[in-house]
Amino acid sequence: SAVISQKPSRDICQRGTSLTIQCQVDSQVTMMFWYRQQPGQSLTLIATANQGSEATYESGFVIDKFPISRPNLTFSTLTVSNMSPEDSSIYLCSVGPGQDYEQYFGPGTRLTVT
Amino acid sequence: GQNIDQPTEMTATEGAIVQINCTYQTSGFNGLFWYQQHAGEAPTFLSYNVLDGLEEKGRFSSFLSRSKGYSYLLLKELQMKDSASYLCACLSGGYNKLIFGAGTRLAVHP
Repeated sequence: SAVISQKPSRDICQRGTSLTIQCQVDSQVTMMFWYRQQPGQSLTLIATANQGSEATYESGFVIDKFPISRPNLTFSTLTVSNMSPEDSSIYLCSVGPGQDYEQYFGPGTRLTVT
Repeated sequence: GQNIDQPTEMTATEGAIVQINCTYQTSGFNGLFWYQQHAGEAPTFLSYNVLDGLEEKGRFSSFLSRSKGYSYLLLKELQMKDSASYLCACLSGGYNKLIFGAGTRLAVHP
């Protein structure tokens, strides 16, 4: 399994500002994913990020709000732009597929927007 | 459309057996996962089923019926540390996209 780290682990931000979340993996991986988990809820896929191509966004998520970079096979960033309190959530990156097509998740970034 | 249903909450007694059910309707189904998530932590992979039948891993087993769009996670010899949310997720589409259910919060009590 891959070891995944995320920075920052948590942050409190003011509305209207932007935050960039970093995801680092200890091995080269083809696919990286960004999820959001709002308080008390399950995970929702934001986008899939493959190295060398533009990220693929899910319905309800747009590049202007959540720009993603994937400069190499071990690193990705997600930016939450022009934040509002509704963006308060845990943001998780994951990598896959593993041997059984599973995904492995990073520890998450807990974002609070005031 | 995509739809995954599982019970919101369950309680069970330490040492007992509990079954968490999941029904799904997804397009491009490529398999079903169960993840465990303790409060404040990332989800961890428990099991993967792509063919009909039962997969056993120690105290945890997972079952899949593709024709019925149904899966369950069976936890035996429950321990207090099994108190967590259990997430059912379907692998869907060409990008190996995971679609998660809302999760089942399991509380194990003495």
